This record gives sequence, C-alpha cells and structure tokens, in this order.
Amino acid sequence: LAKTTQPISMDSYEGQEVNITCSHNNIATNDYITWYQQFPSQGPRFIIQGYKTKVTNEVASLFIPADRKSSTLSLPRVSLSDTAVYYCLVGDGYGGATNKLIFGTGTLLAVQP
Amino acid sequence: DGGITQSPKYLFRKEGQNVTLSCEQNLNHDAMYWYRQDPGQGLRLIYYSQIVNDFQKGDIAEGYSVSREKKESFPLTVTSAQKNPTAFYLCASSIAKTHEQFFGPGTRLTVL
Repeated sequence: LAKTTQPISMDSYEGQEVNITCSHNNIATNDYITWYQQFPSQGPRFIIQGYKTKVTNEVASLFIPADRKSSTLSLPRVSLSDTAVYYCLVGDGYGGATNKLIFGTGTLLAVQP
Repeated sequence: DGGITQSPKYLFRKEGQNVTLSCEQNLNHDAMYWYRQDPGQGLRLIYYSQIVNDFQKGDIAEGYSVSREKKESFPLTVTSAQKNPTAFYLCASSIAKTHEQFFGPGTRLTVL
C-alpha cells in the first residue's frame, strides 16, 4: 500500500479556507485517495474519497492533479468545531484484493477564534 | 438507528488476564476491522474480516485473537501475551471493497 506524507499540524482562524496537502508518490493505478477526520477519543469519520481531478461534497473538496502523486483536502470557512486530526489514506480501489487502510499520524488542524 | 457499537467504553484489567472487547454492527456490512490507537499516533490494524468465518491478521496481530461467527459481530480478545495492551481500541465496518469505513465509539483499555 502507498505511503502518505502530510504535515504534522496546521493552524487556522475561523472563517478561513484550509487546504491540507498529502503526498503519495508511490500511488498505484487502482488506488483511491480517502480522507478521514478524527476528534479526540472518537473513531475517525469518513470525509471524502476520489480517484482523479476534483470531488466535492457538502463538507469538503478534494483536488487531485493528473499525476496523482499528491492530493489536497480543502475545507471551506472552517469553524472551531473543525479542530481535529485529518488523515489521508490511499489503498486498493474497487475490485482490489483487500480494502485494508493504513492510517499515518495525520494532520492536527487547530482552528482559533 | 443503524450503526456500530462497542462495549464497554472503559475497561480495566489486571496483568495476565485475557479480556474480550465487543463490536456489533447492524449496517449489514460484510467487512469488519479492529484497530489500536496509542496517544498521539494513528490507527494500526490488528485484524480484519471480509466475510463470516474468515479473518486475516493486520499489522500488529500478535497477542490478539478474533472470531467472526456472525456477520454482525466481530469480538476481539486481548490475551495475556500482548505485552503492552493499554490503548484505545476501535472497531469499524464497511461494504466490502470500499474505503468508507464506519467506526464505533471505541473502548479504552487500561491494564493495571
């Protein structure tokens, strides 16, 4: 499974747009990119998943360049409640032999008033 | 309400004792997973199961055991062979072959 690299921490202020970039140089052809959010003492929550270009849902956007060696999670107008750890993962896509996920240490986003 | 439940929320055990953590889901998901999380760290996969009566070791299976006799249940036993069992344990489930995993609330195990 591809290894990912993301910043250990980021700071932001309420109302700002936050972009968290993840590097995955060894991503395989059939790998999907998935982002999770985790609050302290809770299980992670799925945010968004994509394969290429741009994906948008009600909470975030995911930008993936053509070479797919990186991806950027974009959170519009963050609030204090967005303070959490964000994990970027890549793994076997649909039809793969397994759907194991490897969680790294993630990015701690701290939103200040 | 559909979801995934874990019990108990907090668990204390003495060294040398085995303990079983419960995980139940009513989402009709085929795949289930157990993770361990230590303070300030990401999740590490202990065991996973993609179908009833079948399961595979994850990255840190030593000292743990599981069973998958029913689709909705995937209990984890932490044995006395696990050298450092104090951690936060998370169970998850998913539709087979997708990466959208649904997590339970977790069980915090402390060995005294």
